[in-house]
Amino acid sequence: LAKTTQPISMDSYEGQEVNITCSHNNIATNDYITWYQQFPSQGPRFIIQGYKTKVTNEVASLFIPADRKSSTLSLPRVSLSDTAVYYCLVGDAFEGGKLIFGQGTELSVKP
Amino acid sequence: DAGVTQSPTHLIKTRGQQVTLRCSPKSGHDTVSWYQQALGQGPQFIFQYYEEEERQRGNFPDRFSGHQFPNYSSELNVNALLLGDSALYLCASSFPGLASHEQFFGPGTRLTVL
Repeated sequence: LAKTTQPISMDSYEGQEVNITCSHNNIATNDYITWYQQFPSQGPRFIIQGYKTKVTNEVASLFIPADRKSSTLSLPRVSLSDTAVYYCLVGDAFEGGKLIFGQGTELSVKP
Repeated sequence: DAGVTQSPTHLIKTRGQQVTLRCSPKSGHDTVSWYQQALGQGPQFIFQYYEEEERQRGNFPDRFSGHQFPNYSSELNVNALLLGDSALYLCASSFPGLASHEQFFGPGTRLTVL
């Protein structure tokens, strides 16, 4: 799975939009981009997955530029409960199997 | 619909002992993966089981072994425990055949080795 780079930490305030960018310069043609969220002492939770352009679900949006060398997870109007670690993963989704987690981005939402 | 369940929640062992952790996958899922998460780090892939066979393995020593049962539940065994094995052990289940990295994680088992 491709190596990813994302900020170690970010701070935000309630009601703001938060954008977390992940770099994945050596992404392969068949690779998908996936984001997970993890709260303390819990297992990670799948947020969103995409291949190109923009994907949106009830939780977040994922923006992927044409060269696919980076991606941005967008969380609209965050609340205190969005305080968590967010992981960006890149790999061939058809292979399934192991997920390679980096250190993730620790998002802290303040009142 | 029950999600992924793991037992026990917490466990304390001493160096050199052996431990068995258990996982029941989400209903309808037949693939189980195990991860180790040290404090402050992202989860590290240990291995994955499908159709009672180990399908993929991460960079973990042979002290780590597993098993999957016909009902898709799984066990993780760790022999000759080391202090460095202290971590949160996560089980995740998924359904193969989908073009997806969506895995459903359990709450984990917190293992402390003294």
